[in-house]
Amino acid sequence: DAMVIQNPRYQVTQFGKPVTLSCSQTLNHNVMYWYQQKSSQAPKLLFHYYDKDFNNEADTPDNFQSRRPNTSFCFLDIRSPGLGDAAMYLCATSRGANQPQHFGDGTRLSIL
Amino acid sequence: DQQVKQNSPSLSVQEGRISILNCDYTNSMFDYFLWYKKYPAEGPTFLISISSIKDKNEDGRFTVFLNKSAKHLSLHIVPSQPGDSAVYFCAATRSGSARQLTFGSGTQLTVLP
Repeated sequence: DAMVIQNPRYQVTQFGKPVTLSCSQTLNHNVMYWYQQKSSQAPKLLFHYYDKDFNNEADTPDNFQSRRPNTSFCFLDIRSPGLGDAAMYLCATSRGANQPQHFGDGTRLSIL
Repeated sequence: DQQVKQNSPSLSVQEGRISILNCDYTNSMFDYFLWYKKYPAEGPTFLISISSIKDKNEDGRFTVFLNKSAKHLSLHIVPSQPGDSAVYFCAATRSGSARQLTFGSGTQLTVLP
């Protein structure tokens, strides 16, 4: 089945230790998104790639970076995680601008 | 500033009855609205959408209504089934290079057998 896959499902890292979350898709969608969702809150868009064009949300901290080496893969890098970065991170894809987004099952990040 | 609000964090409905989930928005630039369903430990799943040129869209047991003047939309599920128990997120977006969704905080629907 075509899908959006996030690895790992659970990630634990230490305060200040860089961490990378990964997302892959078999849908061949040209747009990929990263969202952060904290407990009982709405998912919040961090950034998205439209093909190779990177689009950062204005309030996304500099601590968060992203890479998209090819159509299928997109990575979220957190350079120096703080306790406030503990959250569920959701990856999503869409076929262009006018189609619904398809989400992965998320990676739950814990910071020790 | 929350641009998309779901004021009811939870809703319980008897199986077979209608579930009505509500959503309000403040940004008049939004022109496309979506509902997502989320089970525990899974990502949100797209359910149904509506463009601002319509006031109703129906897909099986799911109907979304849009009232642009009130900046309000609702999702009706009828008849409700126990498998519908999940968190429902309303999302809104505006025309642009990509559909950047603004989500509400979700409503937990519980359908009682």
